[in-house]
Amino acid sequence: DAGVIQSPRHEVTEMGQEVTLRCKPISGHNSLFWYRQTMMRGLELLIYFNNNVPIDDSGMPEDRFSAKMPNASFSTLKIQPSEPRDSAVYFCASSSQGWTEAFFGQGTRLTVV
Amino acid sequence: SQQGEEDPQALSIQEGENATMNCSYKTSINNLQWYRQNSGRGLVHLILIRSNEREKHSGRLRVTLDTSKKSSSLLITASRAADTASYFCAFAGGTSYGKLTFGQGTILTVHP
Repeated sequence: DAGVIQSPRHEVTEMGQEVTLRCKPISGHNSLFWYRQTMMRGLELLIYFNNNVPIDDSGMPEDRFSAKMPNASFSTLKIQPSEPRDSAVYFCASSSQGWTEAFFGQGTRLTVV
Repeated sequence: SQQGEEDPQALSIQEGENATMNCSYKTSINNLQWYRQNSGRGLVHLILIRSNEREKHSGRLRVTLDTSKKSSSLLITASRAADTASYFCAFAGGTSYGKLTFGQGTILTVHP
């Protein structure tokens, strides 16, 4: 398996634009996580899904953020409209079932100017 | 916040020395995990210790867990320059099934 695949690897966008981050989890994994990493706030859990259903989205900072998982092999994190303070590295991770080892993608470095 | 605390925030040692990192958490857990992150990369799982375990070994890694104190430690023995990275503990548990929450991390620098 190729591991967790995220796209794009880098994204530079202007304030106010819509940004969509994509993630393909490892085949057969039932849990999917979206994290955001910044120097100031560390690694924050934004939302996670179990069997394609959002279980906990309490980490989603604002209504500008939304996440979907239409099927077991694809998830998106959307920011609309984007702001400079959204600049961070966004990681997607998956695990075979709840509370087991999580496998991380390489991350998407988002810069909002 | 369900995030715990890690200390030290940064650790600088010489090659061959042991490195110890500590982690504390607030809620009950199913298990506690340790991850490593090289600069600019994703996190990589190192070891998982269940709530009913007290100690676990994997190669040069030793993890302890004290659920009464809600704390864990990661010991890397005979460190190498290649161990230079950030190390994170992650808490699996709480009220939401499957939730995995990370600590703030310890930056380890091993000087050759």
